[in-house]
Amino acid sequence: EPEVTQTPSHQVTQMGQEVILRCVPISNHLYFYWYRQILGQKVEFLVSFYNNEISEKSEIFDDQFSVERPDGSNFTLKIRSTKLEDSAMYFCASSGLASYNEQFFGPGTRLTVL
Amino acid sequence: GENVEQHPSTLSVQEGDSAVIKCTYSDSASNYFPWYKQELGKRPQLIIDIRSNVGEKKDQRIAVTLNKTAKHFSLHITETQPEDSAVYFCAASEGGQNFVFGPGTRLSVLP
Repeated sequence: EPEVTQTPSHQVTQMGQEVILRCVPISNHLYFYWYRQILGQKVEFLVSFYNNEISEKSEIFDDQFSVERPDGSNFTLKIRSTKLEDSAMYFCASSGLASYNEQFFGPGTRLTVL
Repeated sequence: GENVEQHPSTLSVQEGDSAVIKCTYSDSASNYFPWYKQELGKRPQLIIDIRSNVGEKKDQRIAVTLNKTAKHFSLHITETQPEDSAVYFCAASEGGQNFVFGPGTRLSVLP
């Protein structure tokens, strides 16, 4: 069964550094999402992406965040200048067109900002 | 914006018993309600969902009920097994892509 994949599984960075988290959505899906989950807390929506543009974003998704689909398979989340409070698990998700509400999650990238 | 509450935060049941988790939502425009199961250190996985034009949906031991008037929906797990132990998240969406998740329920099924 096809799955969403994410790399790296764990990223450690210094405060103020830029990080890029990578995702490969399920191949025939058209909607892509990023969520974050601070340890022990609920999953929080960051952004959704469709047709090469952001379709929705939350208050969390401020100017330090950006997303990109650089080619036909990858979907990336960039955090420009990381802060301590950005430490969290970041999940990518994708959904198809026929049942676009059903989102399939990747395994996550654990980001640790020191 | 949408706010989703979930109760209880933790739930322990004996193997074979039923478990019920309840969620309420605030935005009457929400029309899609998925439930995700997240095992420790793993990704959230969709286990069942319901749309606002349906009052109940069942899939083997799992069922979800929706009361649009009261703006609440519930997950029912019957004949619980140890492998059902996980954190369960409900979510609400206005048919768009922005899932608003509840805070989660940690279910422990005791052998």
